[in-house]
Amino acid sequence: EVQLVESGGGLVQPGRSLRLSCATSGFTFDDHAMHWVRQGSGKGLEWVAGISWNSDSPVYADSVKGRFTISRDNAKMSLFLQLDSLRTEDTALYYCARDRSAWYDAFDIWGQGTMVTVSS
Amino acid sequence: DIQMTQSPSSLSASVGDRVTITCRASQDIRHYLAWYQQRPGKVPKLLIYAASTLQSGVPSRFSGSVSGTDFTLTISSLQPEDVATYYCQKYNAIPLAFGGGTKVEI
Repeated sequence: EVQLVESGGGLVQPGRSLRLSCATSGFTFDDHAMHWVRQGSGKGLEWVAGISWNSDSPVYADSVKGRFTISRDNAKMSLFLQLDSLRTEDTALYYCARDRSAWYDAFDIWGQGTMVTVSS
Repeated sequence: DIQMTQSPSSLSASVGDRVTITCRASQDIRHYLAWYQQRPGKVPKLLIYAASTLQSGVPSRFSGSVSGTDFTLTISSLQPEDVATYYCQKYNAIPLAFGGGTKVEI
């Protein structure tokens, strides 16, 4: 069974950092690009960052560029998101999502999400 | 950046009705569009990719089409389990933007 399980969310003060993880199983991890997508409470979906199968040229939404860093460890079948200089507007449920392809395509598998709350 | 404008933002229909949701791209994105369903309190689910290809396991009452930069998601006969918010997403280039969503109620 294909599974994506996020962890690392929590309550953090503005300006601080957090590191999210996504542990995967049930598929060949390095056959797929991976992404992070977030959703504020009662809001729509916002793509945050993506990384190709070989970690070449990670890409980011303008809203997080320079503050967030996406990475992956193919040996451990895991995806990561380092969140620095957090702002209150970064408060959201963060989903890990699998891309259909090795580069950028639609997202066919989603995790349950991990909640990030940025508040003083 | 290319903008994705989804309409309507919400709709109410009856069981058995034909429902149409539109997503308009501000520039040509060819067929690089996906549709997702998010039921209340649930994780998004891929319905359609490449504008009109049905994801495995998705009921055939869902279909997608494209005309120029206008993309359409159609539910041919609305069912109670289709109550959800539907999102389009472009993936022709970065950023991989989502539309604002369409909430479907019965």
